[in-house]
Amino acid sequence: EAQVTQNPRYLITVTGKKLTVTCSQNMNHEYMSWYRQDPGLGLRQIYYSMNVEVTDKGDVPEGYKVSRKEKRNFPLILESPSPNQTSLYFCASSLNRGNEKLFFGSGTQLSVL
Amino acid sequence: GESVGLHLPTLSVQEGDNSIINCAYSNSASDYFIWYKQESGKGPQFIIDIRSNMDKRQGQRVTVLLNKTVKHLSLQIAATQPGDSAVYFCAAYFTGNQFYFGTGTSLTVIP
Repeated sequence: EAQVTQNPRYLITVTGKKLTVTCSQNMNHEYMSWYRQDPGLGLRQIYYSMNVEVTDKGDVPEGYKVSRKEKRNFPLILESPSPNQTSLYFCASSLNRGNEKLFFGSGTQLSVL
Repeated sequence: GESVGLHLPTLSVQEGDNSIINCAYSNSASDYFIWYKQESGKGPQFIIDIRSNMDKRQGQRVTVLLNKTVKHLSLQIAATQPGDSAVYFCAAYFTGNQFYFGTGTSLTVIP
């Protein structure tokens, strides 16, 4: 089944403790992206990747890192999480470029205490 | 900055009626639009898309209308069913390799 898989679904952590949220897609998509979703706000892009070893900042990149060493994986790294990064995070992918149908993962609810 | 908004945060319809959900966008250069459905606890699910060279596109029970003159997008759901209850939001693709998303309309279908 074609899908975008995120792990974990839920994560509670404390300020300053490094964490990684994994994202994997099995559709051979070139484009991958991370978003955060907060109440009253639309999805906001954190980082995106056009292909392996190519990553770029979105609208809200501060406090986040990403890497794209393989086509299928696009992990989101929080080196020193803070409470304002408490949010619902989504990974998405599309076949190529960015203006194609975006497929989303099921989300990761992160709470930073 | 760019913005994409939805006209109503909530919408209630009777089962069997048609639903219309609206969206406005700010950038006339946007050339691709998607409607998503998001159920509680799940990721956004693709419903239908439309490119700027079209003004209407139909799927199964859904129709998207695009009015580029007033920068307005709408999603019409025919014969709304209880399973259609969810949050619906639009996404507009702008140059710069990213989408901008509306905040969503929560649709409640009354049996």
